[in-house]
Amino acid sequence: GNSVTQMEGPVTLSEEAFLTINCTYTATGYPSLFWYVQYPGEGLQLLLKATKADDKGSNKGFEATYRKETTSFHLEKGSVQVSDSAVYFCALIDAGGTSYGKLTFGQGTILTVHP
Amino acid sequence: DGGITQSPKYLFRKEGQNVTLSCEQNLNHDAMYWYRQDPGQGLRLIYYSQIVNDFQKGDIAEGYSVSREKKESFPLTVTSAQKNPTAFYLCASSTTLIGRHEQYFGPGTRLTVT
Repeated sequence: GNSVTQMEGPVTLSEEAFLTINCTYTATGYPSLFWYVQYPGEGLQLLLKATKADDKGSNKGFEATYRKETTSFHLEKGSVQVSDSAVYFCALIDAGGTSYGKLTFGQGTILTVHP
Repeated sequence: DGGITQSPKYLFRKEGQNVTLSCEQNLNHDAMYWYRQDPGQGLRLIYYSQIVNDFQKGDIAEGYSVSREKKESFPLTVTSAQKNPTAFYLCASSTTLIGRHEQYFGPGTRLTVT
């Protein structure tokens, strides 16, 4: 079956530090990959996505590149802010060309950024 | 503004009572989903629906029921048979277009059963 593994948190950084959150996946087909962010007490927001190998998703200074050879989709940001403090989820959908694919989530990584 | 609304934000119930959580979307999405999130854990799929009047069980459907009478609405009932109902419940929706499966989430309902 499909699975997503994220680096264990929590991750604690100072403002303006470089962020990497590792994500690797196992899938039987050719999945689409996503990063979601969840702020305290809220639902999940789609942060970025990539639908095929070597695609780079980017949004709000965050980036992630779909690496098929290493089955990875690591999230990076060059300079984090206090407002980036949240839980980050890596996820995949393996639709196999059909109209529906189950969204499989990693366990989430808590990020705390200090001033 | 298009989006997904869930109500109420907080819900308190006594053990043994059924409770229904509301989810409405105006994104014109065909597919809708219910997830459960427990502290420090990822999301687990309860039920999903790809079209009106049709729905399928997810990974943890026991103790839950749903209906899909309208495209915009996908209410979830937590029954008294659910052994551990206290959790954060998230509703989501998506298109069913090939390659456009990203799901969009509502703000969630936190259910506490005592």
